[in-house]
Amino acid sequence: DAGITQSPRHKVTETGTPVTLRCHQTENHRYMYWYRQDPGHGLRLIHYSYGVKDTDKGEVSDGYSVSRSKTEDFLLTLESATSSQTSVYFCASTGGPNTGELFFGEGSRLTVL
Amino acid sequence: DQQVKQNSPSLSVQEGRISILNCDYTNSMFDYFLWYKKYPAEGPTFLISISSIKDKNEDGRFTVFLNKSAKHLSLHIVPSQPGDSAVYFCAARAWDTGRRALTFGSGTRLQVQP
Repeated sequence: DAGITQSPRHKVTETGTPVTLRCHQTENHRYMYWYRQDPGHGLRLIHYSYGVKDTDKGEVSDGYSVSRSKTEDFLLTLESATSSQTSVYFCASTGGPNTGELFFGEGSRLTVL
Repeated sequence: DQQVKQNSPSLSVQEGRISILNCDYTNSMFDYFLWYKKYPAEGPTFLISISSIKDKNEDGRFTVFLNKSAKHLSLHIVPSQPGDSAVYFCAARAWDTGRRALTFGSGTRLQVQP
């Protein structure tokens, strides 16, 4: 299993506050992703990174930003959290050019009151 | 518009019987399909995959079938075991994107009754 850790695992915050979720991988994977999981929607891509300082938007990127200053770290920021961002967030990574499989972290449950 | 659809939110089968989970897709650019398994409070874990150049891939009790003309794939679990109880996600990757991100279905909750 790829070593992917997420922090915090659980967070409760209030509407309008900034939140940062952290993802750390030890596999030297080039590609990293942030997904959110919601009932009835499965996992939806928020943002992804294809290298250090190289990031791009996914399907549900509004209200989120990301940064990747090192290969191993990928941060997801909610500048001003809203109740619609209450969700479980998963980080994932993948390596070589022909690898189709993504390796996922254990998730971060965020509740915005 | 969901490009990957799992129309059955839940499935219940008896231990020892076959479990069949279905998935439909709409994007003709998908070239690689995967199934993930997810237990509560854990991240999804890879189960089995299939390339679009194949129509079947088998790994122990798990077999994935791909019908490209129908844009349909299915996961067969034989025999089903109580430990297989989990949420199963179908996922697909489009060949024309460099990002290698996966598009997921909404999941099917499988419950295997002892």
